[in-house]
Amino acid sequence: KNEVEQSPQNLTAQEGEFITINCSYSVGISALHWLQQHPGGGIVSLFMLSSGKKKHGRLIATINIQEKHSSLHITASHPRDSAVYICAVKGAGNKLTFGGGTRVLVKP
Amino acid sequence: DTGVSQDPRHKITKRGQNVTFRCDPISEHNRLYWYRQTLGQGPEFLTYFQNEAQLEKSRLLSDRFSAERPKGSFSTLEIQRTEQGDSAMYLCASSSWALGEQYFGPGTRLTVT
Repeated sequence: KNEVEQSPQNLTAQEGEFITINCSYSVGISALHWLQQHPGGGIVSLFMLSSGKKKHGRLIATINIQEKHSSLHITASHPRDSAVYICAVKGAGNKLTFGGGTRVLVKP
Repeated sequence: DTGVSQDPRHKITKRGQNVTFRCDPISEHNRLYWYRQTLGQGPEFLTYFQNEAQLEKSRLLSDRFSAERPKGSFSTLEIQRTEQGDSAMYLCASSSWALGEQYFGPGTRLTVT
């Protein structure tokens, strides 16, 4: 079993729909990252959180430390949100352990 | 500051050849990380530096791999006697302090033929 599990692996939505991506982890962490990766490989950090909830524009990230679970929500999704979203946890040594990613496609 | 840069962006090499990649972190970031990502998978940790000291190496980093950060600024990752299984995206990230957010470079895509 991987230390970081994401679901779903793939997600297709219509423009305007609300999207939720889930991340569960099995190790102790100091923080959790949500990352976005577009075709071509570049990774952009969306959020780093260790408790509660953060919001940036149409993106919302939540984390429940007791349940070892985090969610990334995209409100009013748009085709430009199409990307791979990766959950990563920061553990010992501050290195990141990554989930397998969720490939999101938003259709116009 | 323009962020983390990596060079080259793409590298095609024949099996058995040596390759070297470079990463320039954000100025004054004292932590630098190397990750590897194979197609369709999430990245995996390879190694990281605090200033010039290499503090941890993953079991994924075989003896053919070596990384350096000689002056605590840029870093190089060398792969000797490349194998087809080394084909991947090699990502570099840096952070300003131990618990800080990591900023990623664009990656170097290696194809071993």
